[in-house]
Amino acid sequence: EDQVTQSPEALRLQEGESSSLNCSYTVSGLRGLFWYRQDPGKGPEFLFTLYSAGEEKEKERLKATLTKKESFLHITAPKPEDSATYLCAVQAPGNQFYFGTGTSLTVIP
Amino acid sequence: NAGVTQTPKFQVLKTGQSMTLQCAQDMNHNSMYWYRQDPGMGLRLIYYSASEGTTDKGEVPNGYNVSRLNKREFSLRLESAAPSQTSVYFCASSTSSGSYYEQYFGPGTRLTVT
Repeated sequence: EDQVTQSPEALRLQEGESSSLNCSYTVSGLRGLFWYRQDPGKGPEFLFTLYSAGEEKEKERLKATLTKKESFLHITAPKPEDSATYLCAVQAPGNQFYFGTGTSLTVIP
Repeated sequence: NAGVTQTPKFQVLKTGQSMTLQCAQDMNHNSMYWYRQDPGMGLRLIYYSASEGTTDKGEVPNGYNVSRLNKREFSLRLESAAPSQTSVYFCASSTSSGSYYEQYFGPGTRLTVT
């Protein structure tokens, strides 16, 4: 069964305290892995696409990496405005998408 | 560009009532999707349309119907609403060229069924 699991469910960081979010997946024929940011009351906002193991993408304080079984979203020196829920999703064959339940990140000034 | 727009933003229905959620995109994307988001469940795919004139079931299609009206518009219909359909509904669109499809989401419709 195709599945996406994110950990931790919630994370509180001091401003400047770096950390990583995890997304593990089981899917046959992975077409792509995606990271999104979701602010309260809003739709998910696209951040990154990763396709092959070893691939890395960066955007400001965020860096996403991919292995054969999991992906990490590394947050370097976070700021309060990075507070949000971060969602991971995988694309399976047949245009099917599966999302994790997200990690709620709070960055304290 | 407005991106993906959804109407209405909020809706309250009584059990058994019907309604249609509207979605439109101006990014010239071929593919469009409907998701529901429930606490602790994450986003779940209801239906998708890979291109104009085609629709396919996702993970949780029961109780819903969809119409791909044209390339821009994709509607979701609840024929007889049930309390279990209380949720936040998101529409998304993506290109369908290449191997993987980045999705862009609308702001959502918060639906309550009493």
